[in-house]
Amino acid sequence: AQKVTQAQTEISVVEKEDVTLDCVYETRDTTYYLFWYKQPPSGELVFLIRRNSFDEQNEISGRYSWNFQKSTSSFNFTITASQVVDSAVYFCALSEAGKAAGNKLTFGGGTRVLVKP
Amino acid sequence: ETGVTQSPTHLIKTRGQQVTLRCSSQSGHNTVSWYQQALGQGPQFIFQYYREEENGRGNFPPRFSGLQFPNYSSELNVNALELDDSALYLCASTRGGRTDTQYFGPGTRLTVL
Repeated sequence: AQKVTQAQTEISVVEKEDVTLDCVYETRDTTYYLFWYKQPPSGELVFLIRRNSFDEQNEISGRYSWNFQKSTSSFNFTITASQVVDSAVYFCALSEAGKAAGNKLTFGGGTRVLVKP
Repeated sequence: ETGVTQSPTHLIKTRGQQVTLRCSSQSGHNTVSWYQQALGQGPQFIFQYYREEENGRGNFPPRFSGLQFPNYSSELNVNALELDDSALYLCASTRGGRTDTQYFGPGTRLTVL
């Protein structure tokens, strides 16, 4: 069975500090997809990134960057120079390809990020 | 804005009642998934509908059921409500490919008293 673990339940930083969110996953499939979503207080899950298991290149998008390491089954997310608007709960999720159940997402428990001014 | 809408925004029911939640998917998307998110937890997959048929189900009892309509909108029905059904219910739509990204609606907050 697939599993996603986000060991950090809450991280508090001061504005402009960097913050790294950890995500460790378990799957028996060789083909799978990893995601990060942001959930602000409004509740809607906002898609941030999707990465497939064959692409281990790190990615940067503005102040966001992601480090995918297949050897350690980790897909970590860093926010550089954090801002108050980054305060939210962040979820890592896993989707296995080729399953009869379609592309269901298995989510981690989430990490709450609080950025203080 | 993902183009996925859900109604109602909030709902209060009593134990034993039945509830119907609605979701309109993003234009061009033919697959809808439903998730339950209890307070302080990650979303849990309930089921998925593809072209009006159930296409996978999570570990939820049969009193959780759904429908998808020809315009790809969807309903989630929950019978015999229990206190533990209190949660945020999220709907997500995709174009239909198994590996496509799911785009979520704002959710319906259900409170069961």
